[in-house]
Amino acid sequence: QKEVEQNSGPLSVPEGAIASLNCTYSDRGSQSFFWYRQYSGKSPELIMSIYSNGDKEDGRFTAQLNKASQYVSLLIRDSQPSDSATYLCAVKAGGGNKLTFGTGTQLKVEL
Amino acid sequence: NAGVTQTPKFRILKIGQSMTLQCTQDMNHNYMYWYRQDPGMGLKLIYYSVGAGITDKGEVPNGYNVSRSTTEDFPLRLELAAPSQTSVYFCASSPPWDRGWDGYTFGSGTRLTVV
Repeated sequence: QKEVEQNSGPLSVPEGAIASLNCTYSDRGSQSFFWYRQYSGKSPELIMSIYSNGDKEDGRFTAQLNKASQYVSLLIRDSQPSDSATYLCAVKAGGGNKLTFGTGTQLKVEL
Repeated sequence: NAGVTQTPKFRILKIGQSMTLQCTQDMNHNYMYWYRQDPGMGLKLIYYSVGAGITDKGEVPNGYNVSRSTTEDFPLRLELAAPSQTSVYFCASSPPWDRGWDGYTFGSGTRLTVV
């Protein structure tokens, strides 16, 4: 059983729309959750972190966490073509510093 | 501030050859990690280190070895390269969880092809 699951996509949204990316995880002891953006041929870069249930907003990005449902999501408002990338969900379980990554969701923002 | 530096960026190996992927960080991070990324498979942890002289296996350690003689350097050694080791390798570092940790800093990656 995968520990962190994401729909591989591609998820296609028109420019200016809201993109919704979802992630589920299996370890109920998970404490910290991260969204990384990865452009083709590049390394992952951190865009959001969330530690508590609820929403966390940063510019056009909103991360949502529901620990009871073991679900974390990323909303991108006013999607731009430059948002086209693969978005990786990563989870840190209790103890240690290791992150477990999902397989990523490819987002395509179309003009 | 260079962050995490990986060399080489690209390499082609023949089956059975060996090589070392270099990783250096200048942020004084205790923790360092090696991941591999195959197409559509996400990032898999190979080895990690919590400090100089301390290393431990991750999810996919077979065929690899590491050492951590200094805080800055965390090289990954491939012995007897196999086609299954064709992948993109990322090194990352982080401070300890209780010292302002907020995810990893990644290097730019090494794209390795074994033929």
